[in-house]
Amino acid sequence: QSALTQPPSASGSPGQSVTISCTGTSSDVGGYNYVSWYQQHPGKAPKLMIYEVSKRPSGVPDRFSGSKSGNTASLTVSGLQAEDEADYYCSSYAGSNNFVFGTGTKVTVL
Amino acid sequence: QVQLVQSGAEVKKPGASVKVSCKASGYTFTSYDINWVRQATGQGLEWMGWMNPNSGNTGYAQKFQGRVTMTRNTSISTAYMELSSLRSEDTAVYYCARSTLLFDPWGQGTLVTVSS
Repeated sequence: QSALTQPPSASGSPGQSVTISCTGTSSDVGGYNYVSWYQQHPGKAPKLMIYEVSKRPSGVPDRFSGSKSGNTASLTVSGLQAEDEADYYCSSYAGSNNFVFGTGTKVTVL
Repeated sequence: QVQLVQSGAEVKKPGASVKVSCKASGYTFTSYDINWVRQATGQGLEWMGWMNPNSGNTGYAQKFQGRVTMTRNTSISTAYMELSSLRSEDTAVYYCARSTLLFDPWGQGTLVTVSS
């Protein structure tokens, strides 16, 4: 199982939007609506931000949104804030209780 | 609140084994799978496998098959991940996470250092 492909970095100024892509195959991202996104600050455990492509857990700001088209999922952070600077990882169900993570994207708030 | 608390950091020699624990609280331990994910320093997240605490059934990523064993003790709501034949490339932070097609919450992580 190969890792899902994410851009290594993304950036934006406070208040702007940034979108991160997550590209897989028809065996993972394209085959299931079980894509989730995680935010990880340095030295901390990952935190769930989006699940089932576009659903937000309670407590996650509505500035975070997710979508999917074909084999590519996307996470958009609108109205960037300083605390959004972190690493972001996508994950997808890949069938038979298997999962795969993305390569990770470092988001910098300029 | 739902919480997963992992055991402390470990230092092991190459060829040895390590067993990391993950104690669950705030929910019914047998109602959700536990998955294990690792992260080498400065690297991304790598899925290792899953365990159903109710049945004890497991599934491992192909990369780790033959070297990893996931078990549980339901009486103390604790999951375990044992990795054998350690090599330097296994140096990483190991996380447990409660899962139902998503990972939430995560344990705080356990640093395993493999060094001679």
